[in-house]
Amino acid sequence: KAGVTQTPRYLIKTRGQQVTLSCSPISGHRSVSWYQQTPGQGLQFLFEYFSETQRNKGNFPGRFSGRQFSNSRSEMNVSTLELGDSALYLCASSLDSRGGNTIYFGEGSWLTVV
Amino acid sequence: AQSVTQLDSHVSVSEGTPVLLRCNYSSSYSPSLFWYVQHPNKGLQLLLKYTSAATLVKGINGFEAEFKKSETSFHLTKPSAHMSDAAEYFCVVTTYNQGGKLIFGQGTELSVKP
Repeated sequence: KAGVTQTPRYLIKTRGQQVTLSCSPISGHRSVSWYQQTPGQGLQFLFEYFSETQRNKGNFPGRFSGRQFSNSRSEMNVSTLELGDSALYLCASSLDSRGGNTIYFGEGSWLTVV
Repeated sequence: AQSVTQLDSHVSVSEGTPVLLRCNYSSSYSPSLFWYVQHPNKGLQLLLKYTSAATLVKGINGFEAEFKKSETSFHLTKPSAHMSDAAEYFCVVTTYNQGGKLIFGQGTELSVKP
């Protein structure tokens, strides 16, 4: 059974540009969540999608957005990139939105903003 | 609201000696608690989870954790460290109605000396 797949794995962008990251959850999983990992702030929750609806949102500016498609695949977008957006972005999936479900993480997308 | 405090940012042990990584949590509701491990430049792997069943939880690779409600703790232990255990470990909390929104501790880096 394939795990959570994130693309691209590595990317470099320039300040002011925008970026789209993609996540394919484990087959059968309908909940997808996104996290940002930085050395200074650690792992922070961005948002969660379930059945194409945003169910939860973290404390990030509106430049960070996401969506989920009918096949449960998800994308997140960051517009007007800033140097501080350089981070590892992790996608996670689970069967549904209930707490206690096992949540599986992808390998992440490394974003560098220059 | 939920929060997690990992009491040690770095733990160093010798190979073959016991491992103890400490975690305290705070939660307004019955929590689900997890330990994840992250090896360098990798995603997060679930070690074990507690979801209101048995208070002593066994995970992969010989790790286990005990949920102590009176102490609001969920410490991770392993009887005998292996070189391959060197990694970053995260204690995580969520609740039933927060599902995919995981709250992470700041992490504990485990070093294993030969």
